[in-house]
Amino acid sequence: GAVVSQHPSRVICKSGTSVKIECRSLDFQATTMFWYRQFPKQSLMLMATSNEGSKATYEQGVEKDKFLINHASLTLSTLTVTSAHPEDSSFYICSARDGQGQETQYFGPGTRLLVL
Amino acid sequence: AQKVTQAQTEISVVEKEDVTLDCVYETRDTTYYLFWYKQPPSGELVFLIRRNSFDEQNEISGRYSWNFQKSTSSFNFTITASQVVDSAVYFCALPGGNNRLAFGKGNQVVVIP
Repeated sequence: GAVVSQHPSRVICKSGTSVKIECRSLDFQATTMFWYRQFPKQSLMLMATSNEGSKATYEQGVEKDKFLINHASLTLSTLTVTSAHPEDSSFYICSARDGQGQETQYFGPGTRLLVL
Repeated sequence: AQKVTQAQTEISVVEKEDVTLDCVYETRDTTYYLFWYKQPPSGELVFLIRRNSFDEQNEISGRYSWNFQKSTSSFNFTITASQVVDSAVYFCALPGGNNRLAFGKGNQVVVIP
């Protein structure tokens, strides 16, 4: 199956700093990538959809200035958590969907963010 | 809107027992896909299967099997002869608008050795 990588896998940062998370599709071109957030023992919550070369579409309630998304190439999308606070601590996971009309989303391994 | 219901939150089984996870969905689309993903404790979501609504044949992959019943809007997943490595959260999902996936709440499977 298709491979999606995510970096870093784990990050601890101080409150007020910004953290960038990278999501890469390794063996296919991803026209669309998705960013999710997952709280313990809960399902995935879609934060935003990013399409290569255009602005991301954010879900209701997600602050676009807080969670900056860039999808500059067909294999890379980044999520930057700006001015992180302890309540931003969570598991962030990305997925990528190829451009061949296939509906399948392939997920990265996720990033555990802890803001102190 | 698409909706996926996984009613069983946590299921514990003894190793080698079979376990069936229920997934019931709602959609107004006439053709659609259905998915199952596995999320082990490490966190990564592992793609297990994609099923097209045109294809109602049951599918078997090793110890995994899926029963798709379009008439009852269900896409159930069975693990046969469960193993400790099967301990994970399993999500059923259905594409919604704008390429989004609607996920169920997940089934936590605990296999006891």
